[in-house]
Amino acid sequence: EDQVTQSPEALRLQEGESSSLNCSYTVSGLRGLFWYRQDPGKGPEFLFTLYSAGEEKEKERLKATLTKKESFLHITAPKPEDSATYLCAVQGGGSQGNLIFGKGTKLSVKP
Amino acid sequence: DGGITQSPKYLFRKEGQNVTLSCEQNLNHDAMYWYRQDPGQGLRLIYYSQIVNDFQKGDIAEGYSVSREKKESFPLTVTSAQKNPTAFYLCASNPRAGLTNYGYTFGSGTRLTVV
Repeated sequence: EDQVTQSPEALRLQEGESSSLNCSYTVSGLRGLFWYRQDPGKGPEFLFTLYSAGEEKEKERLKATLTKKESFLHITAPKPEDSATYLCAVQGGGSQGNLIFGKGTKLSVKP
Repeated sequence: DGGITQSPKYLFRKEGQNVTLSCEQNLNHDAMYWYRQDPGQGLRLIYYSQIVNDFQKGDIAEGYSVSREKKESFPLTVTSAQKNPTAFYLCASNPRAGLTNYGYTFGSGTRLTVV
């Protein structure tokens, strides 16, 4: 069964304090791994797609990496506006190709 | 601007009442999805539709129903059989069923509360 586990559940950082969020996955035939940002009371907003181990994507202070078992979302010198819940999802060969989501990591960045 | 519109933003349901959540997209996407989000939980798939006039149950379909009469519209009805409907409901779309390069496009959600 396809499964996605995100850790930690919550992360509190000081502004400028870099850290990483983890997404571990079990999937039959990974087609893609997706990172989303979700602000309170809003729908998820797409950040990155990763397809194969070793791949990296960057956007401003965010960098996503992928191995055969997990993905990391690295946040460099975060700002308060980076506070949000970050969701990881995988698309495998099963489940009709539907995305399987993790529970998310709630990030709080204090000034 | 292309996107997904969910309405209403907030909805209150009385015990034993059916309510319908609206989802409209102007992206010309074939596939549409309904997810439920509870605090501390991931997104759980309720129903999905890969093409007009066709839909399939997701992981938690009991107490819900959908229709897909038009490509642009995928309304979700929460029936009285759903015993714990209070949650945040998200509608999403994808250009076509299966492989997606940019993930799904999501609406802004409807928060349903039982009163």
